[in-house]
Amino acid sequence: KNEVEQSPQNLTAQEGEFITINCSYSVGISALHWLQQHPGGGIVSLFMLSSGKKKHGRLIATINIQEKHSSLHITASHPRDSAVYICAAQHNTDKLIFGTGTRLQVFP
Amino acid sequence: EPEVTQTPSHQVTQMGQEVILRCVPISNHLYFYWYRQILGQKVEFLVSFYNNEISEKSEIFDDQFSVERPDGSNFTLKIRSTKLEDSAMYFCASSYVARFGSYNEQFFGPGTRLTVL
Repeated sequence: KNEVEQSPQNLTAQEGEFITINCSYSVGISALHWLQQHPGGGIVSLFMLSSGKKKHGRLIATINIQEKHSSLHITASHPRDSAVYICAAQHNTDKLIFGTGTRLQVFP
Repeated sequence: EPEVTQTPSHQVTQMGQEVILRCVPISNHLYFYWYRQILGQKVEFLVSFYNNEISEKSEIFDDQFSVERPDGSNFTLKIRSTKLEDSAMYFCASSYVARFGSYNEQFFGPGTRLTVL
């Protein structure tokens, strides 16, 4: 059974700081997803990756398959980045196994 | 930009009543999913649906739950006899798989908040 663990659970930052959120999983996967959940509950897909690194704007996601670990980085954080960030693992089926999420608050 | 839509946004029902949650996936997507999130907990997989049949379901998805694609656009989740513990946010998602074994990102709807009294 795959477990997905995230750290930290809560994170506060000042505007402009560099943010790192970590995710580890226990079983080999076919893809790792990073998602953002807004205060209203909506979920938005940020990245899907199976190796290496992806970048979109100020967001960077990396994955180390051997260590079963992924990180989400936010450069030059902004109050509008405040949300819950969730990693989810995908095996050889379509379903996503979600982590518990990291609640990020960025203060001006 | 195409998006997944869900109705209603909030449903309140009495314990034991049947509810139907509705979703309209993105039109060219082939895989459909239901997830739920109990307040304060992580999102959990319920069921995936492909080619007009369930492809996988979780332990949560017991005989009280069913899914259906009644026409070419809607994808529904029915809970036959709701329990208090069914209170949660229910998310529909869809994805497009270009070829077998190729996994694409899943696009989520805004969710339906189900409250069972």
